[in-house]
Amino acid sequence: AQKVTQAQTEISVVEKEDVTLDCVYETRDTTYYLFWYKQPPSGELVFLIRRNSFDEQNEISGRYSWNFQKSTSSFNFTITASQVVDSAVYFCALSEKAGGYQKVTFGTGTKLQVIP
Amino acid sequence: NAGVTQTPKFQVLKTGQSMTLQCAQDMNHEYMSWYRQDPGMGLRLIHYSVGAGITDQGEVPNGYNVSRSTTEDFPLRLLSAAPSQTSVYFCASSYSGTSGRALVQFFGPGTRLTVL
Repeated sequence: AQKVTQAQTEISVVEKEDVTLDCVYETRDTTYYLFWYKQPPSGELVFLIRRNSFDEQNEISGRYSWNFQKSTSSFNFTITASQVVDSAVYFCALSEKAGGYQKVTFGTGTKLQVIP
Repeated sequence: NAGVTQTPKFQVLKTGQSMTLQCAQDMNHEYMSWYRQDPGMGLRLIHYSVGAGITDQGEVPNGYNVSRSTTEDFPLRLLSAAPSQTSVYFCASSYSGTSGRALVQFFGPGTRLTVL
């Protein structure tokens, strides 16, 4: 069965600090997809990134970067020079084939608070 | 495009009452899902659909029914509301396949349900 673990329940950082959110997953499939979503205090869920299991290249988008390591089954998310607007709950998710459907499992989320 | 819409935004029910949460998407997505979000538990899949006329159970289906008569709509029915169903409910849609933004979930704004 697939599983996503976000061991950090809450993190507080001071503005401009770098912060890394950890995500560890379990799957028996060789083909799968990993995602990060952001849920700001307003409550909506916003897609950040999708990564497939065959692409281990790290990705950078502005202040955001993602480190995908199959050897450790991790897909960590780093925010550089954090800002107050980064305060949100961040969810890591895993999608793998289950019958005729791509089943998505979410982690329990990490609440990030950026203090001005 | 309106994306994924959900109604109502808020609802208060008494134990034993039934109701339907509405979800619609205008992106012609094959996949639609219902999740509930509870504190500390992330997003848990209730029911999902891979196309019109096809639905299946997720992780926590008890007490809920779904149907999918059209590609656009995926209502969630609470048969006899219980306090344990107090939660925030999110509907999501995505398109299938493996390329591009396939499997990226687009979420509705959520319905906050309280059962007294």
